[in-house]
Amino acid sequence: AQSVAQPEDQVNVAEGNPLTVKCTYSVSGNPYLFWYVQYPNRGLQFLLKYITGDNLVKGSYGFEAEFNKSQTSFHLKKPSALVSDSALYFCAVRDKGDDKIIFGKGTRLHILP
Amino acid sequence: DGGITQSPKYLFRKEGQNVTLSCEQNLNHDAMYWYRQDPGQGLRLIYYSQIVNDFQKGDIAEGYSVSREKKESFPLTVTSAQKNPTAFYLCASSQAVFHEQFFGPGTRLTVL
Repeated sequence: AQSVAQPEDQVNVAEGNPLTVKCTYSVSGNPYLFWYVQYPNRGLQFLLKYITGDNLVKGSYGFEAEFNKSQTSFHLKKPSALVSDSALYFCAVRDKGDDKIIFGKGTRLHILP
Repeated sequence: DGGITQSPKYLFRKEGQNVTLSCEQNLNHDAMYWYRQDPGQGLRLIYYSQIVNDFQKGDIAEGYSVSREKKESFPLTVTSAQKNPTAFYLCASSQAVFHEQFFGPGTRLTVL
């Protein structure tokens, strides 16, 4: 069965520093991987996805994510954090042979001014 | 302006009542979804629909019902059989089933 884990409930980063939000997954086949962001009392917004091809995926708002097949990870990164990046981030995975997406429990990112 | 709308934003229900949450999209997407979000639990899939007049149960369908009579609309009814309905409900749509999803702003349901 497919699964996704976000090992950190919360990540604190100083403004201007690089940020990383971690995600690991488990699927039986090849994965589709997604990152979403949620601001308070709002729906989720799509940031980026990995389907196939380059392991480094670039997305919205300067975010990028690196697909690492050997470590089964898809960490979200940004070179320089902004206070406005503070939000709840969700990683999601879909097995290409399945018709379900599984969401992680979310990581709350705090960017400190 | 394309997007997904959900109404109402806040909903209060007395125990024993059924309530219906609205979800409308004008993105011309075939697939639509309902998720429930509880603190610390991520999103859990309630129901999804790939095409009009067809829908499938997700992981937590008990106590919920849906219909898909129009491509644009996917209302969710929370019935009195749902034992713990207080939660934040999110509707989403996608071009094809389980591709990248676009989410509505959510409805917060509170049972009094």
